[in-house]
Amino acid sequence: DVKVTQSSRYLVKRTGEKVFLECVQDMDHENMFWYRQDPGLGLRLIYFSYDVKMKEKGDIPEGYSVSREKKERFSLILESASTNQTSMYLCATTSQGRSGELFFGEGSRLTVL
Amino acid sequence: GQSLEQPSEVTAVEGAIVQINCTYQTSGFYGLSWYQQHDGGAPTFLSYNALDGLEETGRFSSFLSRSDSYGYLLLQELQMKDSASYFCAVPGDYKLSFGAGTTVTVRA
Repeated sequence: DVKVTQSSRYLVKRTGEKVFLECVQDMDHENMFWYRQDPGLGLRLIYFSYDVKMKEKGDIPEGYSVSREKKERFSLILESASTNQTSMYLCATTSQGRSGELFFGEGSRLTVL
Repeated sequence: GQSLEQPSEVTAVEGAIVQINCTYQTSGFYGLSWYQQHDGGAPTFLSYNALDGLEETGRFSSFLSRSDSYGYLLLQELQMKDSASYFCAVPGDYKLSFGAGTTVTVRA
């Protein structure tokens, strides 16, 4: 089974703090993704990466950056957290470029005060 | 870009049948996926339709009509454990775009 592990299940941060969310997958997949999930809005893509050191903006990249130094690890960075970034963050991976199947981590629920 | 429309909520009783419709607009279509997410859990993959027609997997079936830009997920013999959110999604180049989700509530 594919395992996608997110470093923190729950985080509480203050406005202006730098936040790191880390994701590790154990299946040697090329593609990794960061989504945020908010009620009524579904899952919205923040950034994705199809190879080490490669990154592409998704639909809502503003206020976020990412890092992919190793194939198995994809980090999401909030340089200066704001209250509107309070959300559930989901990491996912897939091995195929045009696949309908993503494997998700359990999510990181971030609250920014 | 991509946009997907699905109903926000559906309620049904145990043993009933529920159909969740999804209409989409995409630039370049490869297929339609469905995911299930229980409250507090991660989304899990249910099905993927690349071609027109009905695909059946146990109590769940998924249908696609490419000419109508439409698909649906059919949940049969509903059980309490089917209470969850269901998302349709379309893959594009390297990424997957999701609908807002349909919350299915199953009542005894």
